[in-house]
This record gives sequence, C-alpha cells and structure tokens, in this order.
Amino acid sequence: DAMVIQNPRYQVTQFGKPVTLSCSQTLNHNVMYWYQQKSSQAPKLLFHYYDKDFNNEADTPDNFQSRRPNTSFCFLDIRSPGLGDAAMYLCATSSGTQSSYNEQFFGPGTRLTVL
Amino acid sequence: GEDVEQSLFLSVREGDSSVINCTYTDSSSTYLYWYKQEPGAGLQLLTYIFSNMDMKQDQRLTVLLNKKDKHLSLRIADTQTGDSAIYFCAEKYGGATNKLIFGTGTLLAVQP
Repeated sequence: DAMVIQNPRYQVTQFGKPVTLSCSQTLNHNVMYWYQQKSSQAPKLLFHYYDKDFNNEADTPDNFQSRRPNTSFCFLDIRSPGLGDAAMYLCATSSGTQSSYNEQFFGPGTRLTVL
Repeated sequence: GEDVEQSLFLSVREGDSSVINCTYTDSSSTYLYWYKQEPGAGLQLLTYIFSNMDMKQDQRLTVLLNKKDKHLSLRIADTQTGDSAIYFCAEKYGGATNKLIFGTGTLLAVQP
C-alpha cells in the first residue's frame, strides 16, 4: 500500500543534542510537510516543500531545519532541542500545483522526548 | 487572523449519534476537512467538503457546512467504541500557500 512512513516512532534525546527525524513516502507526492503537535494541541505547520522549494512558516524557530534530498524523503533537523520541543512530529504529503494543493496524507508521527 | 475552534470533549453512548462542531474564520477557505487521531497515531482523513456545498454524506458520516455562520459539523451515526478518538477539523487557508489550519480537537469518548 502507498503510505507515509516515519522513523523512528519514538525518539529520546538530551537537551541541546542535535536530532534528526525521518519521513519517507511511496505516494510520489510533490509536496511534503512537517507539523509539530504538542500535548492536547492542534498540529502546527513548521514548513513544507513544494518539490525542492522550501517554504518556512514565519513563526518557526531557527532551531528547526529541514532537508529534502529527493521526492521520497524529507528530514527534520532540530539543532539544539530544548525541553519545549518535546512533541509529536507529524509528516504529511500531498500532490498539487503552486496554486492548489490537494488533501494531505499523514504519517504515524514521531514522538520526541527531550531529557 | 486564522482561528479554528472546537469544543474539547464529547461523550456519547454506543449506538447514539455524535455531533462534533467547529467554527472557522477564513471565509475564503475552499475546502474543510475532518481528521481522526487515535492515541499515539497520526491523522487519518475522514472526509472533506468543498465550500460551495452545504452537506456531504459518506456512510455513517454526515458533514454540514453553514458558510454564512462559518460553522462546520460532523455527525457520526450509530457511534461505535472504535470511533473513540480526537477529531480535528481543518480549513484550507485561502492564502498563497494553501496550508491547513487545524482546530483544537474534540475528544470523543464512546461509552459501551
């Protein structure tokens, strides 16, 4: 089945130690998103890629970076995780054009714990 | 600004109907969505409605859209224990990036 895969499902890191979360997709979608979802809150968009074009949200901290080496993979890098970065990180994909994106398909998420 | 609001909690008995409500602010939204999130899992798209529609039915799910009041609802008929989850409404923000703005989520608890 075509799907969105996130690895690992659970990640524990230390305060200030860089961490990378991974997302891959077999849907061949050209748009990939990263969301942060803190406990009991709505998912919040951090950034998205339209093909290789990176689109950052205005309020995404500089501590969060992303890479998309090819259509299938997208990475979320947290350069110096703080306690406030503990959250579920959701990857999503969609197809679309510059003017209109279609519905988003979500991966299962990676739950990040910062000690 | 973008703001999508939902009530936090709904409890129903198995077999009853559930109605989850949502209000949104962007009148230019083209699509509105309902997602389901089970514990520890990602978001599953349940259904969506285009903004020029008033109602959409999909098996046990009925979506009602009141565009004048910017009100969206999801009705689940014959609610089952497997329907227990958090339900998020989301609007496709009409700005250039067409991003999704999610509501705060409604926890649906189905009592046997």
